[in-house]
Amino acid sequence: DQQVKQNSPSLSVQEGRISILNCDYTNSMFDYFLWYKKYPAEGPTFLISISSIKDKNEDGRFTVFLNKSAKHLSLHIVPSQPGDSAVYFCAVGNSGNTPLVFGKGTRLSVIA
Amino acid sequence: GAGVSQSPSNKVTEKGKDVELRCDPISGHTALYWYRQSLGQGLEFLIYFQGNSAPDKSGLPSDRFSAERTGGSVSTLTIQRTQQEDSAVYLCASSLKGSGSPLHFGNGTRLTVT
Repeated sequence: DQQVKQNSPSLSVQEGRISILNCDYTNSMFDYFLWYKKYPAEGPTFLISISSIKDKNEDGRFTVFLNKSAKHLSLHIVPSQPGDSAVYFCAVGNSGNTPLVFGKGTRLSVIA
Repeated sequence: GAGVSQSPSNKVTEKGKDVELRCDPISGHTALYWYRQSLGQGLEFLIYFQGNSAPDKSGLPSDRFSAERTGGSVSTLTIQRTQQEDSAVYLCASSLKGSGSPLHFGNGTRLTVT
């Protein structure tokens, strides 16, 4: 049973528009949430994170939103650029010594 | 080095052979993780090291899989008597202190078992 679900395997967005990637988790004990970006033949790279004490964290064009009651987080990219085309993984963890749990990823294609 | 380094980048092996995958973490990072990604799947956790000890081996799929870390640095993941279902990209990551800090990944080793 998946603890972290990214229900959209793929998403296509026009350049300049907003990309919204979603992630749902099942365990309310998770308190640390991250997004990673992965290009082909490379390892995932850390993008942005949020802890459970916040509901929003912004870094340039990237914003992560956390809705703890719904066990849902999302990544907004605005404006989207062709270089943002990649697979995005949601990851969740907690402040104990447990490894991050990853979703299956969403492939984002930004069309010029 | 500046990032996590993994070798080899690609490995093709025959079913039944043993393979050894190597990971050099970022200098000073105390925590080291092994994950694997099979085709069309997410990242599956295998094992985690804090220093040289492995508090969590829960993800190792079978007793054919083992890993060690020496000197709080380099780690090797060994797969004995490889099977075709072991084919995947094996990713190593390190982090500064483990929980609550982001993981930094290497580019992975693509293992193909024929």
